[in-house]
Amino acid sequence: SQQGEEDPQALSIQEGENATMNCSYKTSINNLQWYRQNSGRGLVHLILIRSNEREKHSGRLRVTLDTSKKSSSLLITASRAADTASYFCATDRVKTSYDKVIFGPGTSLSVIP
Amino acid sequence: EPEVTQTPSHQVTQMGQEVILRCVPISNHLYFYWYRQILGQKVEFLVSFYNNEISEKSEIFDDQFSVERPDGSNFTLKIRSTKLEDSAMYFCASRGWGAGNNEQFFGPGTRLTVL
Repeated sequence: SQQGEEDPQALSIQEGENATMNCSYKTSINNLQWYRQNSGRGLVHLILIRSNEREKHSGRLRVTLDTSKKSSSLLITASRAADTASYFCATDRVKTSYDKVIFGPGTSLSVIP
Repeated sequence: EPEVTQTPSHQVTQMGQEVILRCVPISNHLYFYWYRQILGQKVEFLVSFYNNEISEKSEIFDDQFSVERPDGSNFTLKIRSTKLEDSAMYFCASRGWGAGNNEQFFGPGTRLTVL
């Protein structure tokens, strides 16, 4: 079964607007990470939030984690055309340390100039 | 800033040929991973590697795949006899040791095209 599911699958906004992407997962986790991928390119690590954290900020990024609902959100404020990319959440399980991460299918974000 | 590197960036091969994808993880990292992403699909785990042995592998990682850390810096993925369905982007990742090192850092990927 899939560990991570992002929604929406695709999001199109105007430059300057905020973009919110959500991720849900099924099993208990150690950490949840968000990655960005430009078309056909590599995975860029954005932010990690631990299971005992509820919110984390990094620049224009704000991540929340609700372990009771097994969900996370990624907010990008004041979006720019350069934010156009796919965004993935990835989780690792409580069971083992240094576990693999399991990716969701991603949200494709388009920021229109 | 330290980063994971991968070579080549793009590999084209004929079906049935062997390929070796190379990765140089971040130098003080101890845990290494390979993932793949078929075009338009999500990233899938292949294998994890620690202390010179496989820690975990997925059902994708069958007998055609192998991994090796031949020296102190390289981490390789070998596909013995490539199939058309092996065409994908292959990502290497590494992770440090200790409670404060939970991030997995990914390389830029190798795009494998099997003809």
